[in-house]
Amino acid sequence: SYVLTQPPSVSVAPGQTARITCGGNNIGSKSVHWYQQKPGQAPVLVVYDDSDRPSGIPERFSGSNSGNTATLTISRVEAGDEADYYCQVWDSSSDHYVFGTGTKVTVL
Amino acid sequence: QLQLQESGPGLVKPSETLSLTCTVSGGSISSSSYYWGWIRQPPGKGLEWIGSIYYSGSTYYNPSLKSRVTISVDTSKNQFSLKLSSVTAADTAVYYCAGATVTWQYAFDIWGQGTMVTVSS
Repeated sequence: SYVLTQPPSVSVAPGQTARITCGGNNIGSKSVHWYQQKPGQAPVLVVYDDSDRPSGIPERFSGSNSGNTATLTISRVEAGDEADYYCQVWDSSSDHYVFGTGTKVTVL
Repeated sequence: QLQLQESGPGLVKPSETLSLTCTVSGGSISSSSYYWGWIRQPPGKGLEWIGSIYYSGSTYYNPSLKSRVTISVDTSKNQFSLKLSSVTAADTAVYYCAGATVTWQYAFDIWGQGTMVTVSS
């Protein structure tokens, strides 16, 4: 089955840039979505279809996808960005969704 | 604006069937723009997709759970439901219902608040 691998944790100082990777076989051929989840809350979609943002999501959140790696970039990191982040794809070869392993972003 | 709300027992005994319902408000579950799904999250762990359904009744299940899962839709009540049979402690988790928009390549843009289900005797 299709597997998405993320680093368990990323630490970043306020104002700096956080990059969260999501690795998968030929993931560049798939549409990748990213979710932010804060403790005790439901996930929130922050990027869809590789690089688009839902309304209300700051421009500081951006995404890219190529080859075997998709990346969520958070620019000018704020304390409020501290959360778990998950990537997700729809695996059309088997008709099911796959979530990444999740990355905890810590703001120093 | 669409909203989702999960409901069901918070405690289920081992070997029994877990049953949850998700009520859709602010719109129709029969919208062709959405697939409806269930996702769970064991305490301290990541997200796991359980399965999804279209208003027409087409279903898609996680292969690892497929033998125990049934997802159904009741358009008259604007609800969809999850049944997970033969539960064990490993099924203890927060269960979320969510809506995946076709327009955004099936991203889950709407989520319920989640409901904690504990499997214990």
